[in-house]
Amino acid sequence: SAVISQKPSRDICQRGTSLTIQCQVDSQVTMMFWYRQQPGQSLTLIATANQGSEATYESGFVIDKFPISRPNLTFSTLTVSNMSPEDSSIYLCSVGGTGEAQPQHFGDGTRLSIL
Amino acid sequence: EDQVTQSPEALRLQEGESSSLNCSYTVSGLRGLFWYRQDPGKGPEFLFTLYSAGEEKEKERLKATLTKKESFLHITAPKPEDSATYLCAVRMVSSASKIIFGSGTRLSIRP
Repeated sequence: SAVISQKPSRDICQRGTSLTIQCQVDSQVTMMFWYRQQPGQSLTLIATANQGSEATYESGFVIDKFPISRPNLTFSTLTVSNMSPEDSSIYLCSVGGTGEAQPQHFGDGTRLSIL
Repeated sequence: EDQVTQSPEALRLQEGESSSLNCSYTVSGLRGLFWYRQDPGKGPEFLFTLYSAGEEKEKERLKATLTKKESFLHITAPKPEDSATYLCAVRMVSSASKIIFGSGTRLSIRP
């Protein structure tokens, strides 16, 4: 399976600021996904990022708050904008999962705390 | 509404004490069910995919089974290193890629 690297692994930020999280994959993939995992909770899909097109956002998530870039088939970024303490979460990138019920594979996530 | 429910929320076992974790789902057409293991500070690690009722998959002390409404993750003679959160996720026929996760079961194995 693909090796997925996320940067930064953790950060502590001030409210009102923005942070961009990077996701790098060691092979070309069609679809990349961004998830949020709030403390003690399961994973919630934020958006699906395809190369060369606009990201598709899930209900409750908007582009102004979580802009996503997908410049090529091995890289994506998620920006968390105008952060508040409620944005304190783990943000995870995943790849794969298309075709006949193929699983998604995950990076180790970015642990974000907002003061 | 498509939904995935896992039980129990937490399970504490003695080393060697076998048990099962449950994942029940209500979706409009199942395309695949996935089990993941998540250790603290890590992303989910893929364990199994199940496609159809009656299917079983095994890996070391773990066996996953699937019926039309639920899946079980059986753990036989667990060891402390099996302690983790186990997540179930489903993909529907209506979705090419999106998967829905359950809330997970936190498994703790005491030596």
